[in-house]
Amino acid sequence: DQQVKQNSPSLSVQEGRISILNCDYTNSMFDYFLWYKKYPAEGPTFLISISSIKDKNEDGRFTVFLNKSAKHLSLHIVPSQPGDSAVYFCAALDSNYQLIWGAGTKLIIKP
Amino acid sequence: KAGVTQTPRYLIKTRGQQVTLSCSPISGHRSVSWYQQTPGQGLQFLFEYFSETQRNKGNFPGRFSGRQFSNSRSEMNVSTLELGDSALYLCASSELDRVYFGPGTRLTVT
Repeated sequence: DQQVKQNSPSLSVQEGRISILNCDYTNSMFDYFLWYKKYPAEGPTFLISISSIKDKNEDGRFTVFLNKSAKHLSLHIVPSQPGDSAVYFCAALDSNYQLIWGAGTKLIIKP
Repeated sequence: KAGVTQTPRYLIKTRGQQVTLSCSPISGHRSVSWYQQTPGQGLQFLFEYFSETQRNKGNFPGRFSGRQFSNSRSEMNVSTLELGDSALYLCASSELDRVYFGPGTRLTVT
């Protein structure tokens, strides 16, 4: 059973608009959530994270929101730029410091 | 393969001192990230290094710095220690889609 789910395999957004990537999780004991960005043929790079004791973290154009009661987090990118086209992975850190990954969402920014 | 190793595992320092923590990633991993975990703030991202270059940095003061060597080993340094720097410092190494955390260094500032 997937503990971290990214239900949208892909998302297409117009340049300049907001991109919203969603992630759901099942384990209420997760302490920390991370978003990674991955270009083809490269490893994932850390993007932004949020601790389970917070509900929002912002870094430039990227904001992550955490709704613990709904076990849902989302990554907002505003405004979206062509360079944002990549696969975005949501990951949760369990109490043993193991990362549980989502399947990823491919974001395509249209010019 | 051996896992991520961090040294020392425990450290006690006094305010005003500086400290250097070390992390050896899994062999072949080029990316190393550092995190601080405290009861009040939870887990927070410090910085990430890839092939000796800092690729990402969290919102920490300049007292926190790091570096990565050509063999991918990484060090982080905290100068002018404050009581609030007492925390568990975690290092993670990654390559492609795998990320592994080390056991952490427990720093206590008195």
